[in-house]
Amino acid sequence: DAKTTQPTSMDCAEGRAANLPCNHSTISGNEYVYWYRQIHSQGPQYIIHGLKNNETNEMASLIITEDRKSSTLILPHATLRDTAVYYCIVRVANYGGSQGNLIFGKGTKLSVKP
Amino acid sequence: DTAVSQTPKYLVTQMGNDKSIKCEQNLGHDTMYWYKQDSKKFLKIMFSYNNKELIINETVPNRFSPKSPDKAHLNLHINSLELGDSAVYFCASSRPTGAGGYTFGSGTRLTVV
Repeated sequence: DAKTTQPTSMDCAEGRAANLPCNHSTISGNEYVYWYRQIHSQGPQYIIHGLKNNETNEMASLIITEDRKSSTLILPHATLRDTAVYYCIVRVANYGGSQGNLIFGKGTKLSVKP
Repeated sequence: DTAVSQTPKYLVTQMGNDKSIKCEQNLGHDTMYWYKQDSKKFLKIMFSYNNKELIINETVPNRFSPKSPDKAHLNLHINSLELGDSAVYFCASSRPTGAGGYTFGSGTRLTVV
């Protein structure tokens, strides 16, 4: 079962920042927070991951609260092509076997509107 | 070059048939996976496999079997297809520890009639 809670859906205006929240109150000390997205009819796409520090890459920023019980994925300037289902996943990184498998929840359907 | 490629993209077949879906990755990854996405869009892991270990999700019927001729390929064989097997099947690959994320294929839409 997924260990995260996300809103079912969100809207965002094109060009504005999209802030997608995720709750993971039962996260363990050795679990990372991963974000993936799935654009309609495509395979899931890796976005970013982090342990406790905030992370940024060319796609997005990840803000993790100090207690690590929640996080926010930020798309700084959303475009229509960012319309997708966004999945927040906690998993033990750097660990093979079933404990490290990527388990998807229901995600947040983000709709970016003109 | 496509990093993780699946064939065919679409597959329509009758109940009771046996079919295979092929997956190939050119990323040099050691671990490959199969996921199933049903009509409710819920992604479920079916198998994870590297050259040392096959891990099967306990909910997967034994009609489904992964076959890996080499570490760049993980094919999915399905025997005695049922209507409920209709779904989109995604192949993925990663480093053994999953570091750097998983790379997914574009999916195979299987329809059983």
